[in-house]
Amino acid sequence: AQSVTQLDSQVPVFEEAPVELRCNYSSSVSVYLFWYVQYPNQGLQLLLKYLSGSTLVKGINGFEAEFNKSQTSFHLRKPSVHISDTAEYFCAVREINTNAGKSTFGDGTTLTVKP
Amino acid sequence: SQTIHQWPATLVQPVGSPLSLECTVEGTSNPNLYWYRQAAGRGLQLLFYSVGIGQISSEVPQNLSASRPQDRQFILSSKKLLLSDSGFYLCAWSWVSGNTIYFGEGSWLTVV
Repeated sequence: AQSVTQLDSQVPVFEEAPVELRCNYSSSVSVYLFWYVQYPNQGLQLLLKYLSGSTLVKGINGFEAEFNKSQTSFHLRKPSVHISDTAEYFCAVREINTNAGKSTFGDGTTLTVKP
Repeated sequence: SQTIHQWPATLVQPVGSPLSLECTVEGTSNPNLYWYRQAAGRGLQLLFYSVGIGQISSEVPQNLSASRPQDRQFILSSKKLLLSDSGFYLCAWSWVSGNTIYFGEGSWLTVV
């Protein structure tokens, strides 16, 4: 079985500051990893994903994440945030060779960017 | 390109009333389809998924049911709503052998 832990439920940060949203996972087999963003009252939008290859993955809106197999982590980073980055962020993991819908999602991290 | 739509966006229903949420995917054929529920402050819980017309898998026992009457249509239903059915419901799709799930806009259900 797989599990995901988002280590921070809320992350407040000032505009133009860097941010890191932390995600740890647990699985006995190889996994795919995802970050989604959810703006208020909207569905989830894919930010980036790690399937294989380079452990540093770049996504939309200037976000990137690094897959660390030894630490079973997939932390999301952005060097300089904007007010518009205020949203809920979800980390998800799925064991390879399983149905795409059987991803396990973390409980989310609320990123609040303050002026 | 592919798009996914679900409706209604917001719904307020009394306890014991029926429910029907609809979801349609455009721009692809034979997608895998999913219904998720998102409770406040929590992650997503997979409720149902479908790999083809009439093929429904239920992930958790509950008061809800799903149907797939057409290739790109997925419906979430209930005969009698409970207060605990309140939440944000998300429809999603993926390619048959795809790695990524793509979500609709979501539907807020409040049972009163």
